[in-house]
Amino acid sequence: AAGVIQSPRHLIKEKRETATLKCYPIPRHDTVYWYQQGPGQDPQFLISFYEKMQSDKGSIPDRFSAQQFSDYHSELNMSSLELGDSALYFCASSSQGTGPMNTEAFFGQGTRLTVV
Amino acid sequence: AQSVTQPDIHITVSEGASLELRCNYSYGATPYLFWYVQSPGQGLQLLLKYFSGDTLVQGIKGFEAEFKRSQSSFNLRKPSVHWSDAAEYFCAVGLNYGGSQGNLIFGKGTKLSVKP
Repeated sequence: AAGVIQSPRHLIKEKRETATLKCYPIPRHDTVYWYQQGPGQDPQFLISFYEKMQSDKGSIPDRFSAQQFSDYHSELNMSSLELGDSALYFCASSSQGTGPMNTEAFFGQGTRLTVV
Repeated sequence: AQSVTQPDIHITVSEGASLELRCNYSYGATPYLFWYVQSPGQGLQLLLKYFSGDTLVQGIKGFEAEFKRSQSSFNLRKPSVHWSDAAEYFCAVGLNYGGSQGNLIFGKGTKLSVKP
């Protein structure tokens, strides 16, 4: 079965650079979530989109922005990178339909971002 | 505020022994509860979830969890642990009813080691 695809899997950037992470949800899933997991930490919710509109916002820094496109894929843009941004970034997708169409979130393998 | 507590940071059990991972939550209403497992450097895989109904929930890989409202707990159990169960386990509470199941608050995780 198709899963959530994230690219790239690994990314190394220097301080103050910009990074773009991409997420391709499971087909027919309409909701995308972004999480940040620092070393040895639990995942922290950043932001989510439903039908291309921002649906919820968590602890996302102002230097980060995200959007969901017409094909439902999502991109997380990170600017002025700091050493503390080094983390595993997860994307998850779900379907918000009613009844059996409503699914739990399925997570991708993550993008490991290292800021040097 | 909603929160999830996993009291045990690290647990070691012998292969074939039983396992119980503890999870306590704080939430103002009936929670949606999840257990995820994460292998090193990998994404999060859903083991099981509780929304309503039977308080004993069966999941994948032989895991089960019991929701106890009076104790605000959702402990994960497995009768006989296999070496391949070694991983980190996260308990999570969902913040939305019905719709989005991906806006989650995670506990700090419990790392499970399995002795031969």
